[in-house]
Amino acid sequence: QKEVEQNSGPLSVPEGAIASLNCTYSDRGSQSFFWYRQYSGKSPELIMFIYSNGDKEDGRFTAQLNKASQYVSLLIRDSQPSDSATYLCAVNTGGTSYGKLTFGQGTILTVHP
Amino acid sequence: DGGITQSPKYLFRKEGQNVTLSCEQNLNHDAMYWYRQDPGQGLRLIYYSQIVNDFQKGDIAEGYSVSREKKESFPLTVTSAQKNPTAFYLCASTLTGTGTTEAFFGQGTRLTVV
Repeated sequence: QKEVEQNSGPLSVPEGAIASLNCTYSDRGSQSFFWYRQYSGKSPELIMFIYSNGDKEDGRFTAQLNKASQYVSLLIRDSQPSDSATYLCAVNTGGTSYGKLTFGQGTILTVHP
Repeated sequence: DGGITQSPKYLFRKEGQNVTLSCEQNLNHDAMYWYRQDPGQGLRLIYYSQIVNDFQKGDIAEGYSVSREKKESFPLTVTSAQKNPTAFYLCASTLTGTGTTEAFFGQGTRLTVV
């Protein structure tokens, strides 16, 4: 079993719709969770991080964490063509004192007009 | 402006040759990391360092070497022992000792074997 696994893609949604990206992780001791966006040929950029169970909202983005189910998700509301990218889920497997991250394989999102 | 600088952006390696990828940060971060990304894949950890003169192997360290002589610098050498080095290499850093462990990335080096 992979340590961090994301829902298989690619995912295609129409402009204005909600895109839902999912991620499961195997290490129950994981403390912090990150969503990165990566455009083709570019480096990842942080969208959201979440530490506590529940929802965290930032603009059009909502991260959801359920530690009991070892599940973290990212919702993108009012999806725009500029949201088309690969989304990477990352889990901090090194505790809270330093940032060693384990990444999922990524989900390609395409938002079509 | 603070950030992470990787160089070169593109690098070509001949068979049997060692090459070194540069990574410099001026964020005053303690920890630095090297990741490798293959097409359609996530990032895999090669090496990481939490303090100067100390580093640990990641998941795919074979065929790679690093040094951490200065806090700001964490160069990665791809040796001839790495049989399939063609990939996108990303350097990152984090500020240790805080509750927020966001990783900041450089712009990447794309290495191709010719």
